[in-house]
Amino acid sequence: GQQLNQSPQSMFIQEGEDVSMNCTSSSIFNTWLWYKQDPGEGPVLLIALYKAGELTSNGRLTAQFGITRKDSFLNISASIPSDVGIYFCAGQLGYGGSQGNLIFGKGTKLSVKP
Amino acid sequence: GAVVSQHPSWVICKSGTSVKIECRSLDFQATTMFWYRQFPKQSLMLMATSNEGSKATYEQGVEKDKFLINHASLTLSTLTVTSAHPEDSSFYICSAGGRGLDTEAFFGQGTRLTVV
Repeated sequence: GQQLNQSPQSMFIQEGEDVSMNCTSSSIFNTWLWYKQDPGEGPVLLIALYKAGELTSNGRLTAQFGITRKDSFLNISASIPSDVGIYFCAGQLGYGGSQGNLIFGKGTKLSVKP
Repeated sequence: GAVVSQHPSWVICKSGTSVKIECRSLDFQATTMFWYRQFPKQSLMLMATSNEGSKATYEQGVEKDKFLINHASLTLSTLTVTSAHPEDSSFYICSAGGRGLDTEAFFGQGTRLTVV
């Protein structure tokens, strides 16, 4: 079945540093999504990408949909303590929430030291 | 974004009893709802997909007679864990998706189930 490789598994950085994480897949996806999950909460959508090569920003977050449609990265600039959490990438074959389930990466745990 | 409300947020039950978890889309019509399970320090694993008015489609290895899913309306889906056992203790999360290309699935806040 389809699998997503997300790296790194964890990061421990200083406040103010930039963060980069990525996901690769053995299969092509038509949609890439990035979520953040706080402890005891459901994932919250950060950025959605729909086109190969697309680069999208949401505040200090930037994500790109790889040209091959098999990878995506998420960058966080100037990290702050509230960025702490687990970040998940997810690939979707279809478009929109009704078109197919999501395949999740294993997550990147981000810890920020003030 | 759209609001998906999941209830309860946590529940403790005795082994052998059944537990029902509700997932509601508050401001949109959810044509499809997904149920995930997440064990500690692990990613989300899809359990089943349900379309309103249809039987749910279960992922391989998920017992449909143990995890009963009902999606009777466009705003409500329920997951019932029947005859719960301690190994069913987990974090259960639903997501709901509506119509339209730009309507991504939104997640509920999750339900922490502890079976004692």
